[in-house]
Amino acid sequence: AQSVTQLGSHVSVSEGALVLLRCNYSSSVPPYLFWYVQYPNQGLQLLLKYTSAATLVKGINGFEAEFKKSETSFHLTKPSAHMSDAAEYFCAVAKGGYGNKLVFGAGTILRVKS
Amino acid sequence: KAGVTQTPRYLIKTRGQQVTLSCSPISGHRSVSWYQQTPGQGLQFLFEYFSETQRNKGNFPGRFSGRQFSNSRSEMNVSTLELGDSALYLCASSLAEREGLHFGNGTRLTVT
Repeated sequence: AQSVTQLGSHVSVSEGALVLLRCNYSSSVPPYLFWYVQYPNQGLQLLLKYTSAATLVKGINGFEAEFKKSETSFHLTKPSAHMSDAAEYFCAVAKGGYGNKLVFGAGTILRVKS
Repeated sequence: KAGVTQTPRYLIKTRGQQVTLSCSPISGHRSVSWYQQTPGQGLQFLFEYFSETQRNKGNFPGRFSGRQFSNSRSEMNVSTLELGDSALYLCASSLAEREGLHFGNGTRLTVT
């Protein structure tokens, strides 16, 4: 069965600082991996996805993530945080070839300090 | 292109009642999935429909059901509501599993 662990339920960074949100996954088969962002009172927005192509994936709003099979990790980074990045971020895993049944991590709330 | 539309945005129901939530996917998307989001359990998968057939199902009791119509629009129904069913219910559509999910803004259900 697939599972996702997000380390740190809350992360606080200063505006302009590096953002690093950690995600480790467990999967019995090559996974599809996703990062989503959720702003208050809204649904989830897809930031980026890994589906067995390039291991370094670039997404929207300057975010990127690197798939590391040996570490079973898919950490999300952004070189310089902006106030508008404050939101909750979710990592998710799906079993490739089995439709859209995603297993989500518990989420990380990102706070950006001015 | 219009996004995923969920109606209504807010619902208040009483224990024991039933409720139907509606979802219109992005045009051309044949897969529709439903998720429940609560502070305690996080995001949990309910079910996925593809071309009117249930393709995947999560670990929820039979009180939770869904269906998909020929135009890909989907509904989910919860019968005999319990207080614990209070949650944000999110619908998502997808063109293909590699593309990821496109979520609506959800229906917030409160059971009193």
